[in-house]
Amino acid sequence: SQQGEEDPQALSIQEGENATMNCSYKTSINNLQWYRQNSGRGLVHLILIRSNEREKHSGRLRVTLDTSKKSSSLLITASRAADTASYFCATVLMNSGYSTLTFGKGTMLLVSP
Amino acid sequence: DTGVSQDPRHKITKRGQNVTFRCDPISEHNRLYWYRQTLGQGPEFLTYFQNEAQLEKSRLLSDRFSAERPKGSFSTLEIQRTEQGDSAMYLCASSLGTSISLGGYTFGSGTRLTVV
Repeated sequence: SQQGEEDPQALSIQEGENATMNCSYKTSINNLQWYRQNSGRGLVHLILIRSNEREKHSGRLRVTLDTSKKSSSLLITASRAADTASYFCATVLMNSGYSTLTFGKGTMLLVSP
Repeated sequence: DTGVSQDPRHKITKRGQNVTFRCDPISEHNRLYWYRQTLGQGPEFLTYFQNEAQLEKSRLLSDRFSAERPKGSFSTLEIQRTEQGDSAMYLCASSLGTSISLGGYTFGSGTRLTVV
């Protein structure tokens, strides 16, 4: 079963707008990661946030984590057509000895020029 | 190329045939993972190797599936007596870590299996 659930399932915006995707999870985590996947390709790691962190930035990406609500959000600012992809959150469970990732179903982002 | 390589990129097979996929991880990465992804879903964990030892297997990995990582380098995933439900993208990933909180995985581009 999948640990994370992303919301919305699909998001369509115009270039230059901000895109916000949310992720909820069920059990205590060690860290949460966001990945991007272009159609038919492998996943690319975007950013990792640890359970003791609340916010993290990387370029145009901003990730927040609220462990009390078991939720995270990914904000992409000033979106570009090249940001069109599926975005997945993935969790590493607390006390997980092997760091296996559990993925959600993803948010499909479409950025129109 | 220093990324994770998977071969083949695409595989079409008839139901009942056996198939084998190969993954070459980043050379210094000691951890290797196999995931399966069906259309519209996120990747689902199949199995994990640390060096040559297979340390964890998902219940998704039925007895028709077997994975190896001889000498802790490349890995193979074999599916015997394929079924149409095996049609999916098979993703390999590797990472370096002795600590849980190290960085993310590096994924290969995947092998897309179609069982007809």
